[in-house]
Amino acid sequence: AQSVTQLDSHVSVSEGTPVLLRCNYSSSYSPSLFWYVQHPNKGLQLLLKYTSAATLVKGINGFEAEFKKSETSFHLTKPSAHMSDAAEYFCVVSDVSTGANNLFFGTGTRLTVIP
Amino acid sequence: DGGITQSPKYLFRKEGQNVTLSCEQNLNHDAMYWYRQDPGQGLRLIYYSQIVNDFQKGDIAEGYSVSREKKESFPLTVTSAQKNPTAFYLCASSIATSSYEQYFGPGTRLTVT
Repeated sequence: AQSVTQLDSHVSVSEGTPVLLRCNYSSSYSPSLFWYVQHPNKGLQLLLKYTSAATLVKGINGFEAEFKKSETSFHLTKPSAHMSDAAEYFCVVSDVSTGANNLFFGTGTRLTVIP
Repeated sequence: DGGITQSPKYLFRKEGQNVTLSCEQNLNHDAMYWYRQDPGQGLRLIYYSQIVNDFQKGDIAEGYSVSREKKESFPLTVTSAQKNPTAFYLCASSIATSSYEQYFGPGTRLTVT
């Protein structure tokens, strides 16, 4: 069964410092993994995705994530936080085994950026 | 300008009333989805549709109903049977259910009092 654990419900960083949002997954299959970002009262926007190609995935707005199968992790990083990065971030694993492309969402990590 | 639209952005209803949330997409996607978002719980799948005139229950379908009469439209009805309907509802679509990437609408916040 697929599941996702986001290890921190809230992360706070100073502007210009690195961002690390942690995600561990459980999957019976070769997973597809995603990070989505959600700004307040908005829909979700795809940041990046891993679909069994390169293990280091680059996304939009300077974010990247590394798929580590041995650690079942897919942590999201950014070298330097910007005020506009403040949002909720969701780590997601995809299950296509049922033919339904169900996405399994983590509970989210709220990123606060301090000026 | 392609995308997914949801209307209205905010919706208020009295308890016991059915309410329908709109979702329209012009991306020519076959698959569409409805999720419910509650604080601290991520997103949970309510219903999904792989093709016109077909839809399947997700994890929390009780108290909800959907229709898929047109490819572009996937309305969600929150019925009076839904015990706790106040939530943020998100619609999404993908090229097909075999496609990994889903595109999300801006959401509708439903408040039932």
